[in-house]
Amino acid sequence: QQQVKQSPQSLIVQKGGISIINCAYENTAFDYFPWYQQFPGKGPALLIAIRPDVSEKKEGRFTISFNKSAKQFSLHIMDSQPGDSATYFCAASWNYGQNFVFGPGTRLSVLP
Amino acid sequence: DAGITQSPRHKVTETGTPVTLRCHQTENHRYMYWYRQDPGHGLRLIHYSYGVKDTDKGEVSDGYSVSRSKTEDFLLTLESATSSQTSVYFCAIRDGTEAFFGQGTRLTVV
Repeated sequence: QQQVKQSPQSLIVQKGGISIINCAYENTAFDYFPWYQQFPGKGPALLIAIRPDVSEKKEGRFTISFNKSAKQFSLHIMDSQPGDSATYFCAASWNYGQNFVFGPGTRLSVLP
Repeated sequence: DAGITQSPRHKVTETGTPVTLRCHQTENHRYMYWYRQDPGHGLRLIHYSYGVKDTDKGEVSDGYSVSRSKTEDFLLTLESATSSQTSVYFCAIRDGTEAFFGQGTRLTVV
């Protein structure tokens, strides 16, 4: 019940295209849903996050869509760039971020 | 990097030997975490701390112990390293709702 499922495992997108990564959870106690971006040899870094009382959040080219009833959320990267090539992790936490559960990650490759 | 330093950055050790990884933070955060990252599993929580001498287990704590005698340092110990503990280990701190990660330690057990 603490799991967060993430798909696809890997994704290849042409430059300028839309990258979409999906996540699903079971535990309704989760109250915070961040996305992390990780480049090779680096630690993950927060990209964008959403609370369950909001259905969508947009920051630049990155948008989170949240469907509370379906217990699903997704990351959309518009106008994908080669510099976006990285591994993306969705996560969920409870108690206002006391502990985090991470999805298995999606490796995104944006072709020039 | 939120003032997080992990040491060592790389280590190769032999099966059965003890290993200690160190996480040092400079910003007095209460919560500190140790994760391991493996292909197909994402980041899995090993142990976490919510204050000096206050620690608790995560989902993959078997074979690991931790200590936090000072706010700034969180140590992860593998009592007797096994090949299954070959992984990349990340320390993290929590600031509000956001987790900040260190650069990671790549540990290889041969």
